[in-house]
Amino acid sequence: AQSVTQLDSHVSVSEGTPVLLRCNYSSSYSPSLFWYVQHPNKGLQLLLKYTSAATLVKGINGFEAEFKKSETSFHLTKPSAHMSDAAEYFCVVPSGGYQKVTFGTGTKLQVIP
Amino acid sequence: GAVVSQHPSRVICKSGTSVKIECRSLDFQATTMFWYRQFPKKSLMLMATSNEGSKATYEQGVEKDKFLINHASLTLSTLTVTSAHPEDSSFYICSARAAGGPADTQYFGPGTRLTVL
Repeated sequence: AQSVTQLDSHVSVSEGTPVLLRCNYSSSYSPSLFWYVQHPNKGLQLLLKYTSAATLVKGINGFEAEFKKSETSFHLTKPSAHMSDAAEYFCVVPSGGYQKVTFGTGTKLQVIP
Repeated sequence: GAVVSQHPSRVICKSGTSVKIECRSLDFQATTMFWYRQFPKKSLMLMATSNEGSKATYEQGVEKDKFLINHASLTLSTLTVTSAHPEDSSFYICSARAAGGPADTQYFGPGTRLTVL
């Protein structure tokens, strides 16, 4: 079965410093993987998607993620945090024969001015 | 493209009443729609999967008579919370998979905040 583990429930960074949100996946094959962002009381917005075309995936708002099969990781990064990046981030993997998706537990990113 | 809307965005109702939430795919046809529930500071929990023209498939532990799902067209699914109680208060999010689109990709609505008094 496919699953994802988000290693940090809460990450706090200063504005202008790098962001690292960690996600490890469990799958018997190279899965598709997604990162979504959810701002307070809002729906989910797709940040980026990995589909095996390239291991480094660039997304919106300056975010990117690198798929590392050897480490079964798909960590989300951004070189410089902005106040507007403060939100909840979810790592997501398709499951149930691609009929469903499974969400990680989420990482709340706090950006300190 | 691939926009999903939900209506209402926020609803407050009295205990014992029923509430209907609509999920629409605005610019694509959705053969499959999903309904999620999100508790405060928690992740999303899949409630049910609905395919157009057929009965919804509910996840284990979700009461199908409590949460009625109808997917009458390729662009509309509704979730009705029947005889709502305060414990049903939550953030409900729908998503849709586009007909002919990637099977692993869902497009999410903005969510509906339900408060039951």
